[in-house]
Amino acid sequence: GAVVSQHPSRVICKSGTSVKIECRSLDFQATTMFWYRQFPKQSLMLMATSNEGSKATYEQGVEKDKFLINHASLTLSTLTVTSAHPEDSSFYICSARDPRRGYSGANVLTFGAGSRLTVL
Amino acid sequence: AQSVTQLDSHVSVSEGTPVLLRCNYSSSYSPSLFWYVQHPNKGLQLLLKYTSAATLVKGINGFEAEFKKSETSFHLTKPSAHMSDAAEYFCVVSDDLGYGGATNKLIFGTGTLLAVQP
Repeated sequence: GAVVSQHPSRVICKSGTSVKIECRSLDFQATTMFWYRQFPKQSLMLMATSNEGSKATYEQGVEKDKFLINHASLTLSTLTVTSAHPEDSSFYICSARDPRRGYSGANVLTFGAGSRLTVL
Repeated sequence: AQSVTQLDSHVSVSEGTPVLLRCNYSSSYSPSLFWYVQHPNKGLQLLLKYTSAATLVKGINGFEAEFKKSETSFHLTKPSAHMSDAAEYFCVVSDDLGYGGATNKLIFGTGTLLAVQP
């Protein structure tokens, strides 16, 4: 089955620094990946849709310059949190859809295990 | 706009007793509905999905859910809870506009934390 790997699983950084999170599809090529953010004890909120070879599509209210997304290959999307602040501390989860299974809603997303960011 | 409402933020059951996690949806289209489970510090795992086929959907680990259009519900059930079922459960609707036009957006409910007592 489709496997999505995220790295790092946990990261702690100082305020003002930038952090990069990687999302890889291990056994399929993903033209589209999705980045979600989950606040403690809350649901997942879609941040952006990452498209291979083109610009990401951001959801309303998500700062493009703050959360840089790069999808340079069919198996890798990266999320960079720039100039991180404590309020950026959260659980970031990526997901991808295996295009071999079509594009309808029935085609289930595969989620990575998430990356917990703590900004001191 | 599509949305899901999970009616209980916390549910506590005893091991061996039935589980019921409630979910109501709102959708302008024929929805695709899912239940995902998230164990602590782990990624999301699909339990089951409804895609306009059989209204009673069987998933992994003994879970099942019934799509009831008249009630706009998609409740998750399991006949007998196990300690390993303790986790957060999310009801999800897909913002599916059809083949080729699907936005692929998943809209998550707020989650139900299931506790299983020995």
